[in-house]
Amino acid sequence: GAVVSQHPSRVICKSGTSVKIECRSLDFQATTMFWYRQFPKKSLMLMATSNEGSKATYEQGVEKDKFLINHASLTLSTLTVTSAHPEDSSFYICSAARTSAITDTQYFGPGTRLTVL
Amino acid sequence: AQKVTQAQTEISVVEKEDVTLDCVYETRDTTYYLFWYKQPPSGELVFLIRRNSFDEQNEISGRYSWNFQKSTSSFNFTITASQVVDSAVYFCALSGGETSGSRLTFGEGTQLTVNP
Repeated sequence: GAVVSQHPSRVICKSGTSVKIECRSLDFQATTMFWYRQFPKKSLMLMATSNEGSKATYEQGVEKDKFLINHASLTLSTLTVTSAHPEDSSFYICSAARTSAITDTQYFGPGTRLTVL
Repeated sequence: AQKVTQAQTEISVVEKEDVTLDCVYETRDTTYYLFWYKQPPSGELVFLIRRNSFDEQNEISGRYSWNFQKSTSSFNFTITASQVVDSAVYFCALSGGETSGSRLTFGEGTQLTVNP
């Protein structure tokens, strides 16, 4: 149990376009989902926390208008990179937890590699 | 603020050697959770273990073992008789408590290479 999927796994887009990444919890309901960004050979950086039905909470330094997060259901959260630029190229990983309680483990998706030309 | 330090950036061993990955953490919370994740070249994070701050009992799972020492704020991970398939980046992470809730703070990761 506790499987999280992401789609697409890889995406290449032109500068200026928007890209949507989906994160789904396949066999459990996730009240809370997290979005991370990872640069090559670097650690994971938390971008935002989203709770189903609420606005996402963004970490300091993360642009809300550029990285739009929607968590409309208990099994789906989306991250939209708007007006993408080459510096947005990165590995984006989501995770899902049944609740926001600290006792709940986060289960990670396989990640989405975004390349902006 | 919470902080996790993995001082070993890269480790290279020969198959069947034992290897220990170090993790040191900082937190002001009295209740917190520690994690280890494995990230193979495919990129997916694989959950290995979670420990809470009140449970200092060491744990063994097959070739994996973890040593939690609250006195030194360390949560080290040992792989016994390493195998080539153990090659990956390993992350130690910290969450929980009054200041951070369920947010995970990751260390910088240790790249483990097991050579045949």
